[in-house]
Amino acid sequence: AQSVTQLGSHVSVSEGALVLLRCNYSSSVPPYLFWYVQYPNQGLQLLLKYTTGATLVKGINGFEAEFKKSETSFHLTKPSAHMSDAAEYFCAVIDSGTYKYIFGTGTRLKVLA
Amino acid sequence: ETGVTQTPRHLVMGMTNKKSLKCEQHLGHNAMYWYKQSAKKPLELMFVYNFKEQTENNSVPSRFSPECPNSSHLFLHLHTLQPEDSALYLCASSHSGLAAKNIQYFGAGTRLSVL
Repeated sequence: AQSVTQLGSHVSVSEGALVLLRCNYSSSVPPYLFWYVQYPNQGLQLLLKYTTGATLVKGINGFEAEFKKSETSFHLTKPSAHMSDAAEYFCAVIDSGTYKYIFGTGTRLKVLA
Repeated sequence: ETGVTQTPRHLVMGMTNKKSLKCEQHLGHNAMYWYKQSAKKPLELMFVYNFKEQTENNSVPSRFSPECPNSSHLFLHLHTLQPEDSALYLCASSHSGLAAKNIQYFGAGTRLSVL
């Protein structure tokens, strides 16, 4: 069965600094991978997804993620953090057998002025 | 606005009360989901409906009773809850079928507090 691990439940960066949120997955088949963002008192919003094709995926709000099969990773990055990026970020993989989402435990991003 | 609307946004109930959560989607999807989000735990999938039929029940206690009258509406009926049921309950919808199309869209959630 697939699984998702997000390293670091809390990440703090300065405004303007690089954002790097880590996600590793386990899957015996090519995975479908997602990043979602959850702002306070809101539901989850899709940031970006990888299904097939180009391994570097661009999403909304300047975020991107790169699928690296050899490292079983799908880390989320943004070159320059904004205060508005403060939120919780969830990595997810679709289970190839059941088509269910498997979510990581989330990483809360704090942006310092 | 994701196209998935949940009401109420906040709910406080006693352990003997009966209440219902409502979810409505305007995306033309035919699959709907209930998740429970508790602090410091991964999202827990509770129920899945495809074309109004329940296709998944992840060992959820019977004090949670889902209802899906049509592909656009999903309810979660609550009765005799426990304090540990306090959480954010999220509804989501998607197309059914191929995983590549199974992108889930979430509502804003209902914050439930059980006293």
